[in-house]
Amino acid sequence: GAVVSQHPSWVICKSGTSVKIECRSLDFQATTMFWYRQFPKQSLMLMATSNEGSKATYEQGVEKDKFLINHASLTLSTLTVTSAHPEDSSFYICSAAGGLAVHEQYFGPGTRLTVT
Amino acid sequence: GNSVTQMEGPVTLSEEAFLTINCTYTATGYPSLFWYVQYPGEGLQLLLKATKADDKGSNKGFEATYRKETTSFHLEKGSVQVSDSAVYFCALSDRSSASKIIFGSGTRLSIRP
Repeated sequence: GAVVSQHPSWVICKSGTSVKIECRSLDFQATTMFWYRQFPKQSLMLMATSNEGSKATYEQGVEKDKFLINHASLTLSTLTVTSAHPEDSSFYICSAAGGLAVHEQYFGPGTRLTVT
Repeated sequence: GNSVTQMEGPVTLSEEAFLTINCTYTATGYPSLFWYVQYPGEGLQLLLKATKADDKGSNKGFEATYRKETTSFHLEKGSVQVSDSAVYFCALSDRSSASKIIFGSGTRLSIRP
C-alpha cells in the first residue's frame, strides 16, 4: 500500500516552454502533497506544500508564478514549470501524506527535467 | 529552526563491514526521525523511523535509536552488502509543522565486493 506515482519519469523541453508533472497517490487519499527539488548530489529542498482544494504554500525563495501547483483532488497534484530555463533542470520529487499516517510521507519516484 | 546534520560522504566500505552513519538533529518539541534511502536513479524510500525517545527503528538489517539526550539518530548495520550502495538521508518531521520533513544533506555509501 501507500504507492505514489509520478508522470513523466523524465522530460526534455526547450527553453521558454512549460512542463507539467503529475503526482498521484494510487491507493490512498492524500490530503497533503509536497513538492521537492533535488540538484545532483544534493539533498531534497522543499518547494511547496499543497492541501487538496486550497492554494499551495510556497517555501521562501520559490517563485509561485513560475512553479504552479494544483491539488485538485485527493489523489492528484500537478506541478507546472512555466517558461522553463536551463537552470530549472533538476530532479523533482513529490510526496503525499494522508489517512491515518498523516505524519508520514510517501514519495514518488521522481521526474528528471532537462531544459535545453 | 529545525535542522539535521549528517556525516559527509562518500563512505566506501568492503562487503560485510560494519556501517555507521552519524546523524544529529536540532528541533523544538518532539520530532519524528527517519532514515530514507535513495538508490541510483530512483526516488526516496523510507528505510526506518522512530517517533519517540528511545525507540529503535529497524529494517533490512539497519537500525537506528532515537537518542533525545544526545539528539542523535545514528544509522548502523552489522554487515553491509553491495546492494546497500545508495544515498542515505537522515530526516525529521516536526509534528507541529504539517508534516513538513527536513532532510540532512545525504551520505553516499559505496560497498566494494
